[in-house]
Amino acid sequence: DAGVIQSPRHEVTEMGQEVTLRCKPISGHDYLFWYRQTMMRGLELLIYFNNNVPIDDSGMPEDRFSAKMPNASFSTLKIQPSEPRDSAVYFCASSLDARQGNYGYTFGSGTRLTVV
Amino acid sequence: AQSVTQLGSHVSVSEGALVLLRCNYSSSVPPYLFWYVQYPNQGLQLLLKYTSAATLVKGINGFEAEFKKSETSFHLTKPSAHMSDAAEYFCVVSDLSNTGKLIFGQGTTLQVKP
Repeated sequence: DAGVIQSPRHEVTEMGQEVTLRCKPISGHDYLFWYRQTMMRGLELLIYFNNNVPIDDSGMPEDRFSAKMPNASFSTLKIQPSEPRDSAVYFCASSLDARQGNYGYTFGSGTRLTVV
Repeated sequence: AQSVTQLGSHVSVSEGALVLLRCNYSSSVPPYLFWYVQYPNQGLQLLLKYTSAATLVKGINGFEAEFKKSETSFHLTKPSAHMSDAAEYFCVVSDLSNTGKLIFGQGTTLQVKP
């Protein structure tokens, strides 16, 4: 298994531009999570999906952020327009259904976003 | 609501010394507990997990953690630190709703001195 795959690994963009981050979860995992990590705020849960349906998006900071999961093998996190304060490392993680026992998450390697 | 508190944002030990990273949790029922490690410029990797099968849990790279219900603690230890253990460590508790949502501590950065 290749694990959770995120792309790109690094993204530098100018303020005001649209940014799209991509994630491929582990095949068979029911849950997908998007996190943001900064020095100031640590790890923040932005949104998570269960069977491709968004369950909780209360962590999405603003309307500029949106996430989709069109199928079980792909999810995107989009920021439009981007701002310098969006600079962070964005992680995607996936997991099995917790009702079968809580297995924890498998994280991707992250996308380091820099907005200048 | 569940929560987890990591005591000490930075811990420094000498190579070969005992590693002890402290974690206390808050939960009204026995939780699932995890430790994750994040090496520089990498994602988070599962070190070990407690799911009520045994109170002493062994993980990868020689780490272990002991679940102590009376103290609501889940401290992470390693008998002898190695330079490669330098990383950030997160204590994590599961959400009670069974959705699988995990609640992360603020993290402890472990520095290993030669």
